[in-house]
Amino acid sequence: AQSVAQPEDQVNVAEGNPLTVKCTYSVSGNPYLFWYVQYPNRGLQFLLKYITGDNLVKGSYGFEAEFNKSQTSFHLKKPSALVSDSALYFCAVRKRGGSQGNLIFGKGTKLSVKP
Amino acid sequence: DAGVTQSPTHLIKTRGQQVTLRCSPKSGHDTVSWYQQALGQGPQFIFQYYEEEERQRGNFPDRFSGHQFPNYSSELNVNALLLGDSALYLCASSLLSSGANVLTFGAGSRLTVL
Repeated sequence: AQSVAQPEDQVNVAEGNPLTVKCTYSVSGNPYLFWYVQYPNRGLQFLLKYITGDNLVKGSYGFEAEFNKSQTSFHLKKPSALVSDSALYFCAVRKRGGSQGNLIFGKGTKLSVKP
Repeated sequence: DAGVTQSPTHLIKTRGQQVTLRCSPKSGHDTVSWYQQALGQGPQFIFQYYEEEERQRGNFPDRFSGHQFPNYSSELNVNALLLGDSALYLCASSLLSSGANVLTFGAGSRLTVL
């Protein structure tokens, strides 16, 4: 069965420190990979995606993600965390050739950045 | 330019009742997908509509149905509500031909079933 795993329910980081939010997936083929962020009482906002090409993808708000095919991982990173980055982060995959709207999401990781 | 708008934002129903949730896609988008997000979980795909037809469906029972109108807006209907249907229902839109693969989400409709 296809699945996305976010092994950490919560990640705590001090402001100014680097952050990593982990994601691994189990999907056949070479899926499309996404990160979305959800703020309280808001919908999901797109951060970045990996389709093909360079394994390091840069996205919105200074976030980047590293695709590792051998480890089937797509970890989200930021060199210097801000308090305003505190939110719920979701990793998602879509099977290549599958429906555009059919994303498989992880259960989410709550990021808490303290001053 | 308005993004995806959903209504109502909150609603409370009792078991056995029926509910209709509405979604207006982002301007220029032609495809609407619906997701259910239970508390503490990631969103789960319900179905996708394009050209007024259901194109793909996730693992949800027939109690969940939908519709897409000529103006691309969409409705999600849930019949015979169960307590387990309590969740945040998210609508997402996209342009099928864009190839960008990025969904734009609305803020959601929070359904509580008592």
